[in-house]
Amino acid sequence: EVQLLESGGGLVQPGGSLRLSCAASGITFSSYAMNWVRQAPGKGLEWVSTIGGSGGSTSYTDSVKGRFTISRDNSKSTLYLQMNSLRAEDTAVYYCAKDYYMMSAFDIWGQGTMVTVSS
Amino acid sequence: QSALTQPASVSGSPGQSITISCTGTSSDVGSYNLVSWYQQHPDKAPKLMIYEVSKRPSGVSNRFSGSKSGNTASLTISGLQAEDEADYYCCSYAGVSTYVFGTGTKVTVL
Repeated sequence: EVQLLESGGGLVQPGGSLRLSCAASGITFSSYAMNWVRQAPGKGLEWVSTIGGSGGSTSYTDSVKGRFTISRDNSKSTLYLQMNSLRAEDTAVYYCAKDYYMMSAFDIWGQGTMVTVSS
Repeated sequence: QSALTQPASVSGSPGQSITISCTGTSSDVGSYNLVSWYQQHPDKAPKLMIYEVSKRPSGVSNRFSGSKSGNTASLTISGLQAEDEADYYCCSYAGVSTYVFGTGTKVTVL
């Protein structure tokens, strides 16, 4: 069974940093692009970032460019999101999601990890 | 990267059919046949229901179908059931490895 398990969320002050992790099991991790999607409390889904299977290509939504860095360790089947200069508007549940194939969709989602940015 | 536009809410009685629209632009929905739809129940992770405009992943009921015309994609749920009550989101590939989600639609089964 394919599973994604996020960790690393928590309460952080504005301007602070946090690193999220997403451990994958049941798949050949390096074969798939991976993504981060977030959902602010009571709001809709927002795509945050994507990384290719080899880790060589990355993309970000405009609001996090220069502050967030997506990376992966294929030897550990783990996806990361380093979040710096956090703002109140980054408060959300962060989901990792597996690419179905060729950018078609997100077929497997983790349970999410909550990030709260507040003083 | 503006969100795709969906109606805030759609409702129907059990057994009826409902359709949710998803309007984007020529830079996203209109340019790629890479529209997907997700179902999200309260406090749960989203679930993929439709990919590549109209394809269903294994295990998804054939009561769910998708289509696209120009810059607007649609999700139709036929034979509405109580378990279909949830939030639904569309998503489109927008080029250069970026994506945009819809604003979300709350489906209520009357």
